[in-house]
Amino acid sequence: DIVLTQSPGTLSLSPGERASLSCRASQTVTSNYLAWYQQKPGQAPRLLIYNTSIRAAGIPDRFSGSRSGTDFTLTISRLEPEDFAVYFCQQYGTSPTFGQGTKLEIK
Amino acid sequence: EAQLVQSGPQMKKPGESLKISCQTSGFDFTSYWIAWVRQKPGEGLEWMAMIYPGDSDIRYRSSFEGQVTIAADKSINSAYLQWSSLKASDTAMYFCARRRYSSGPLDYWGQGTLVTVSS
Repeated sequence: DIVLTQSPGTLSLSPGERASLSCRASQTVTSNYLAWYQQKPGQAPRLLIYNTSIRAAGIPDRFSGSRSGTDFTLTISRLEPEDFAVYFCQQYGTSPTFGQGTKLEIK
Repeated sequence: EAQLVQSGPQMKKPGESLKISCQTSGFDFTSYWIAWVRQKPGEGLEWMAMIYPGDSDIRYRSSFEGQVTIAADKSINSAYLQWSSLKASDTAMYFCARRRYSSGPLDYWGQGTLVTVSS
């Protein structure tokens, strides 16, 4: 299985700041099949980004995704209060796996 | 809009059996995969298995093969996850979610079913 390692484990920022969350894959991710999800306490995850950089329906354009080799990044350009949550990356090739998550908390 | 509504929380004893459900609406149930994802308390997400109700194609992650069984009923647009003998380590939140292709993201999720296994 492809192992996804997310960093940092916790990111403390203030509203209005820029957030960069990392997801490193242990091997090549097939066809850019990498997604990002947001999960708030007591809720199901919500799809934000798929195919590395395509925003899902209804997702604000302050969320963006990118890739450099086996390193994937979710960037939130200007944090809004509702963005503080846990973020998971997922590769969804033949045997899907998730990263362990990054908690984005208010500083 | 697509909706996935899961059955309610369950408290069970070790060794008991359990079947939880995922009732869907708002899309063609037979044209999407339904996946099951586990989340243990305070932990991350684990892919368990998925089913294509259109032809009952089922794929299990190797670590869950033989531990759980998934199924679907096209007549009522519902998917199921079941255990024949629960263990305390099965205590977790279980989510069903939809994916358009066998290799695709999970675009709509159920609200989750909390399963607690304790003697």
